[in-house]
Amino acid sequence: EAGVAQSPRYKIIEKRQSVAFWCNPISGHATLYWYQQILGQGPKLLIQFQNNGVVDDSQLPKDRFSAERLKGVDSTLKIQPAKLEDSAVYLCASSPPGQTNEKLLFGSGTQLSVL
Amino acid sequence: GDSVTQMEGPVTLSEEAFLTINCTYTATGYPSLFWYVQYPGEGLQLLLKATKADDKGSNKGFEATYRKETTSFHLEKGSVQVSDSAVYFCALVHQGGSEKLVFGKGTKLTVNP
Repeated sequence: EAGVAQSPRYKIIEKRQSVAFWCNPISGHATLYWYQQILGQGPKLLIQFQNNGVVDDSQLPKDRFSAERLKGVDSTLKIQPAKLEDSAVYLCASSPPGQTNEKLLFGSGTQLSVL
Repeated sequence: GDSVTQMEGPVTLSEEAFLTINCTYTATGYPSLFWYVQYPGEGLQLLLKATKADDKGSNKGFEATYRKETTSFHLEKGSVQVSDSAVYFCALVHQGGSEKLVFGKGTKLTVNP
């Protein structure tokens, strides 16, 4: 079974630039999550999609972060403009319908460095 | 709000040593509890879980028991291997809501031959 695919693996940008991350979840997984993992901390949920609808985006900094999942499959997370404190690993995860946490699978993440 | 507190790392052990990584939580009601593991260069993986008080989760020789009276979910393994070197995250979730996972800060374990 193919895993959750994320790209790019690494990204280095300067502050105030824009950046986008891409995630392709497991086939058939209706629920998709984006987490932010700052060095030395546990992952923090940014946004949760159920198919192409947003379930929870309460911790997404909406003034600079946006995410979409137009066809209920792939998703992109964008930061515009980036700040130094956005340096982190951005993790995508997905789960099948009705089995949110037991079957939650994570991608390897995109490591973002903002200089 | 809900939170998870893990013991500070890093933890360094010799092969075959006994491992304990402490985890305590603060939450209303009865959350489900999890341990996730992140091996170098890989994504987070579910290691084990427990959904109610006194449940014991186990996998790959690791165990953790859901202790409601002490709000704890300590991870243990009787004899660690070099291949267990990873970062371990304790997490909780309230079922029935948005089911958002709340993670601890993680504990890095290094096992030396």
